[in-house]
Amino acid sequence: DTGVSQDPRHKITKRGQNVTFRCDPISEHNRLYWYRQTLGQGPEFLTYFQNEAQLEKSRLLSDRFSAERPKGSFSTLEIQRTEQGDSAMYLCASESRGGWEQYFGPGTRLTVT
Amino acid sequence: DQQVKQNSPSLSVQEGRISILNCDYTNSMFDYFLWYKKYPAEGPTFLISISSIKDKNEDGRFTVFLNKSAKHLSLHIVPSQPGDSAVYFCAASGGSNYKLTFGKGTLLTVNP
Repeated sequence: DTGVSQDPRHKITKRGQNVTFRCDPISEHNRLYWYRQTLGQGPEFLTYFQNEAQLEKSRLLSDRFSAERPKGSFSTLEIQRTEQGDSAMYLCASESRGGWEQYFGPGTRLTVT
Repeated sequence: DQQVKQNSPSLSVQEGRISILNCDYTNSMFDYFLWYKKYPAEGPTFLISISSIKDKNEDGRFTVFLNKSAKHLSLHIVPSQPGDSAVYFCAASGGSNYKLTFGKGTLLTVNP
């Protein structure tokens, strides 16, 4: 059973550095989502893709954030010039065509020092 | 503006008893509701969902009830087991918008 996978699981970086995370969705799932979760909060929507098209971006996604899904399969989320406020768990989820349930990966824990 | 609210940050129950987790929402456009379970350092795991055309959905020990007029849903776990101890999130989506809006979660502790 190949669920959603994310890499890396943990990332520690210094303020001002760039980081990139990868998400591999469940095979054949055409929708892919990125969420961010901070302590004591539920996951918050960042952006989503239908195949390779990025269809919505949250206002939480500042200009320092960019996401891609070049071939409609895996996706990357890049944060440029990281700030301490970017420290969070970054979650990826995928959803099948016609489905309503999103399946989450294990997340990438980012710590900005 | 929190559109999905879980007003109980924590709940403690005895093994074998019923656990009832509650969730309220404010957005009338929401028409699909989901419950997720989350262990520390892991991603949320999908548990059960319900469409707004139904008022109840059951899957094994888990039942979700939806009261649209009150904009309220609840998750019942019967019987509760120690392995159910986790944070439970309520989530909603609606209309042409597929993204999920989550509550802040309820920490369930099931005591042996």
